Amino acid sequence: GNSVTQMEGPVTLSEEAFLTINCTYTATGYPSLFWYVQYPGEGLQLLLKATKADDKGSNKGFEATYRKETTSFHLEKGSVQVSDSAVYFCALSDVVRNNDMRFGAGTRLTVKP
Amino acid sequence: SAVISQKPSRDICQRGTSLTIQCQVDSQVTMMFWYRQQPGQSLTLIATANQGSEATYESGFVIDKFPISRPNLTFSTLTVSNMSPEDSSIYLCSALDRDSYEQYFGPGTRLTVT
Repeated sequence: GNSVTQMEGPVTLSEEAFLTINCTYTATGYPSLFWYVQYPGEGLQLLLKATKADDKGSNKGFEATYRKETTSFHLEKGSVQVSDSAVYFCALSDVVRNNDMRFGAGTRLTVKP
Repeated sequence: SAVISQKPSRDICQRGTSLTIQCQVDSQVTMMFWYRQQPGQSLTLIATANQGSEATYESGFVIDKFPISRPNLTFSTLTVSNMSPEDSSIYLCSALDRDSYEQYFGPGTRLTVT
């Protein structure tokens, strides 16, 4: 079945450091890929998405490219801020088959001033 | 986009009792989902709830324990029955936007069973 493997956390960075959170997936069909963010005490918010190979999703300085050859969707940001501290979830959804979403384990990011 | 609300936002319940969680969407959606997020863990899909049909449960989840209703295109409920401390978790509902294929999530219901 479909699944997502995400880099284990926690990750601690200093402000303005470069961020990479790795995500790889296993899927049959043609999944869409997503990154969700969960700030402390809040629900999940969609951060960015990509629906087909070579698509790049971007939002709030974060970006991720759908790489079919490496089955990856790594999240990157060039300069993190304290306000980026949150848990980040990689997810996939097969919109052709059943639309239910499979989540990675989540990566907790802490950014220190 | 869709805005989703859940009630209650949190509750503390005694073992052996049941709690019904309500999920309201501000627009009509075909597919809704219920997830569980145990402390410090990722999200696990409980079931898919489509209007006009029985909910489809994932492995490890059964209707007797987690009955779901989906009476119309904007509303769903999840009941956690005969609760035990192991049911302490955050329960989230989500709705699928068929145009964008994005899932929108409610704020979650934090359940503690004592």
